[in-house]
Order: sequence, then C-alpha cells, then structure tokens
Amino acid sequence: GQSLEQPSEVTAVEGAIVQINCTYQTSGFYGLSWYQQHDGGAPTFLSYNALDGLEETGRFSSFLSRSDSYGYLLLQELQMKDSASYFCAVEAMTGGFKTIFGAGTRLFVKA
Amino acid sequence: NAGVTQTPKFQVLKTGQSMTLQCAQDMNHNSMYWYRQDPGMGLRLIYYSASEGTTDKGEVPNGYNVSRLNKREFSLRLESAAPSQTSVYFCASRGPLVVRWGVGNEQYFGPGTRLTVT
Repeated sequence: GQSLEQPSEVTAVEGAIVQINCTYQTSGFYGLSWYQQHDGGAPTFLSYNALDGLEETGRFSSFLSRSDSYGYLLLQELQMKDSASYFCAVEAMTGGFKTIFGAGTRLFVKA
Repeated sequence: NAGVTQTPKFQVLKTGQSMTLQCAQDMNHNSMYWYRQDPGMGLRLIYYSASEGTTDKGEVPNGYNVSRLNKREFSLRLESAAPSQTSVYFCASRGPLVVRWGVGNEQYFGPGTRLTVT
C-alpha cells in the first residue's frame, strides 16, 4: 500500500527556521510535492522534487532522498503569515498516475 | 484567467438526495482531479482524469461518479448522499508532468465546495 507520515503539529517563533519531515512508502514513486493551506483556503503549491537533493525557492527549500524514502520542507525567517497546514504529497504511478497526500502538519508561528 | 472554478461554494443536502459538483479550468490542462478533505485531515483522491475522455478511480471512489465533459470541465456526482460524505470537496488541474523538479508540476486547486449531508 501507500502511506505518508509527517508530524501533526510544529510550533516555532517568528524569525526562526523550522523543518517539517515526511517519510513515505509507495510503489511507482515519481516525486514528492509540498503544499500550503491556510484555514478555510485551498492548497497552494510550494515545491516538487523528483531527484535527490535540495530545491530552494526563496525562504522555502525542499529536500528529497529517494533511497531513504524521506523528504523535508525547510522554512526560513518564519513570519506570522506562515502559520498554516503543510502537506507532503507523493506522485506515484500505481494503477494509473496518482497523487497521495499526507495528513498534514499544522505550523504555529509565535511572536 | 480565472484558474480553477467550482460551483456551488456551499451546499446542504438531505440523506438520499443527489447533486453534481461542477469544476472548470481555463489553463488548457489535460489532468483534472477531485479530492475530499475531512476536518483536520489531508486530501484524499476520489477520481482523476488524465485527459479528455478518460477517468480513473482514486483512493475513495465509492458513492461518487465523474464525467470529463470536455477538456475544461470535470464534474463530480453524488447519486445518493450520505452523512459520511459531509466534507470539503476540491477540484484541481495540472499540466504535463515535468520529470525533474520545480515549477510546472503543481496542481492548481479551486476554492472548494463545502458540503453538509444531514
């Protein structure tokens, strides 16, 4: 089967750095995506990794290790507006091309 | 460009009633998706369509049907609504997957339909 694990909650202070980990089990792995969702809103795309290594986009970076079935999202210079839920999602070719989302990590940023 | 639009935004149904959720995208994307999100949980894939004329089941297809009417539109139908189908429903679309990384692989989500079945 397919499964993803990520922490349910993380709390950090404004200006700090936080890392949200994601481990996955799936066949037909294609890539790992990260999405942000504010309360009452729709998910918005942050990053996608298909190859091992670090992908940097402004204050956000995403890392993938295919051999360890592991990835993380790194948020730097945290701002209050970063308080949201963050989802990792596996893109996999398994009985067709599918996206499987994790349960999400709720990030609370404190002043 | 409007991106991905969904109608209605809110809906209350009685058990056994039927309804169709509409989704349209104006980005010329081949792939379209329907997800449901229950409180405090991630998104679960109901159905997806890799291209016009094709549909495939996702993780939780039971109780739902879909129609890919044309390249722009992908509808989700509840034939006989049940309280367990109370959820927020998101439609999404995506262009061709870029193998390597980064921008180009994102799914664009609509604003969601908040459905309550009593």
